[in-house]
Amino acid sequence: GDSVTQMEGPVTLSEEAFLTINCTYTATGYPSLFWYVQYPGEGLQLLLKATKADDKGSNKGFEATYRKETTSFHLEKGSVQVSDSAVYFCALSDSNYQLIWGAGTKLIIKP
Amino acid sequence: EAGVAQSPRYKIIEKRQSVAFWCNPISGHATLYWYQQILGQGPKLLIQFQNNGVVDDSQLPKDRFSAERLKGVDSTLKIQPAKLEDSAVYLCASSLEPGPDTQYFGPGTRLTVL
Repeated sequence: GDSVTQMEGPVTLSEEAFLTINCTYTATGYPSLFWYVQYPGEGLQLLLKATKADDKGSNKGFEATYRKETTSFHLEKGSVQVSDSAVYFCALSDSNYQLIWGAGTKLIIKP
Repeated sequence: EAGVAQSPRYKIIEKRQSVAFWCNPISGHATLYWYQQILGQGPKLLIQFQNNGVVDDSQLPKDRFSAERLKGVDSTLKIQPAKLEDSAVYLCASSLEPGPDTQYFGPGTRLTVL
């Protein structure tokens, strides 16, 4: 079945560092891909999405490109802030439009 | 616009006890989802409602879990009896129409079964 694999955390970076969180997927067909973020004490929020190959999703300085050749959707940000500390989830939508989730990656940004 | 509300935020019970969670979706949202999120894992869909009808409950352990959505608005999820492995965060989400990128999530209820 469809699945999502993302890098294990926690990922610890200093403020203004470059961020990459890896995400790869296995799916039949051409799913839509998503990154969700969960800030401490808050609910999950959609961060960005891409619906077809080579699409780039972006929001709040974060970007991810849908790479069909490598079945990847890596999350990147050029300069992270302390406020970016959160848990980040990669997900895909299956043929029934239901979300298949990765395990999440905790990001810790130190000032 | 008010978000998805859930209560309680935390619950501790002993195994074999019963527990119920409540969710109030965003006003006007026809679709409601319940997820189970075990520590260190992504959320797993338990049940999806469209108005007050069940769309998908294939991953709901029906021998102990039940859910209802009265009048197509609020929803309750019940576990009876609870097991140790039910310890998790239970997330409620709603959307105006079916589709993964339109889901809005509540803060969740953290259940600990002792």
